[in-house]
Amino acid sequence: QVLLQVSGPGLVKPSETLSLTCTVSGASITSHYWTWIRQPPGKGLELIGYIYYSGRTNYNPSLKSRVTMSVDTSKSQLSLKLASVTAADTAVYYCARDSGSSSSLDRWGQGTLVTVSS
Amino acid sequence: DIQMTQSPSSLSASVGDSVTITCRASQSISTYLNWYQQKPGKAPELLIYAASSLQSGVPSRFSGSGSGTDFTLTISSLQPEDFATYYCHQSYSTWTFGQGTKVEIK
Repeated sequence: QVLLQVSGPGLVKPSETLSLTCTVSGASITSHYWTWIRQPPGKGLELIGYIYYSGRTNYNPSLKSRVTMSVDTSKSQLSLKLASVTAADTAVYYCARDSGSSSSLDRWGQGTLVTVSS
Repeated sequence: DIQMTQSPSSLSASVGDSVTITCRASQSISTYLNWYQQKPGKAPELLIYAASSLQSGVPSRFSGSGSGTDFTLTISSLQPEDFATYYCHQSYSTWTFGQGTKVEIK
């Protein structure tokens, strides 16, 4: 059974850096692309970016200047950092697995709400 | 960016009804179109990938069609567990999602 578990602080101050970790179990982290998606409260879904185990990344251009993603294959973990956050970055953050050939997201983590507030 | 426009934004239907949701892309995306179901407080779940392929474990009352710019998701006989929000998702270029369609109980 493939499980993705997102962890990290639920509250971040404005101008600081949001940091989240996604721990993958039941699947090889080297076999897929992995994505980060976010969803502001009551709103739709937004791609943050995706990463391959080799370190290859592709970020949403609207967030590219503030996003850093990385992979730790030894721990089977993904990392997301979003710098200089504002209230507009308040959202539920998900990690999800790209299925591969069809570029669809077939496994999702439970998501974690991150609130940006002083 | 490719804009994805879903219609309607919400609909009310009864158990047993057939429901169709439309998703239109601002440019051709071939069949790089996926559909997800999201229930309150939960992560989205994949229903349909590559426009018309049913994800493993998803009931056959769900179906998808379309190519190019126009796509549909159909639920042939709405069940109580189908009341949720549905999103389309294009994976042709920088991924974007539709704004969602909320299916509510009439």
